[in-house]
Amino acid sequence: EVQLVESGGDLVQPGGSLRLSCAASGFIFSSYAMSWVRQAPGKGLEWVSLITSGDNTYYIDSVKGRFTISRDNSKNTLYLQMNSLRAEDTAVYYCAKCDTSYYFDYWGQGTLVTVSS
Amino acid sequence: DIVMTQSPDSLAVSLGERATINCKSSRSVFYSSKNKNCLAWYQQKPGQPPKLLIYWASTRESGVPDRFSGSGSGTDFTLTISSLLAEDVAVYYCQQYLSTPHTFGQGTSLEIK
Repeated sequence: EVQLVESGGDLVQPGGSLRLSCAASGFIFSSYAMSWVRQAPGKGLEWVSLITSGDNTYYIDSVKGRFTISRDNSKNTLYLQMNSLRAEDTAVYYCAKCDTSYYFDYWGQGTLVTVSS
Repeated sequence: DIVMTQSPDSLAVSLGERATINCKSSRSVFYSSKNKNCLAWYQQKPGQPPKLLIYWASTRESGVPDRFSGSGSGTDFTLTISSLLAEDVAVYYCQQYLSTPHTFGQGTSLEIK
């Protein structure tokens, strides 16, 4: 059974940093692209970042230069390093497994990031 | 970036009736190498993560009831629920995965009339 468990969400001040983790199990982690998707309170889904099985990375413009996606295949874990956080980054962050063609076949339960002073 | 626009924003349908949600992309999401459209539909119920319903515009994910169907090509797509059940109350999102960023539509909230 595929499982994705996010952690690391917290209350952080504007300008601060946070690292999210997503522990994966039930599939060959190294073989699949993984993504982060966020959802601001009461809002829709926003694709944030993707890392391929070959470690190519992609971001939405609003987080480029501030967020870094990475993966540790030896630990079956996906990360999102978030720096220079802004109020508009406040959201539930979901980890999602990509099928071979980049739609999301499995999602975690999400972790809440709140950026506020 | 490809902009995804859903219509309507909200929809109220009677139990047992058909529900139709539309999704339009700002440019074609047809992937010529696979002769398929890179369009997925997700269902999100309150307090839960999204769930994949449809991919390649019309392929139903394993375990998804056959009352859910997807259609369309190029820039115009439709999710249809043939006979609405109470458990189908949710927000539905389309997403293109042709090119990054893999953008979502704004969502359509489906409720019972």
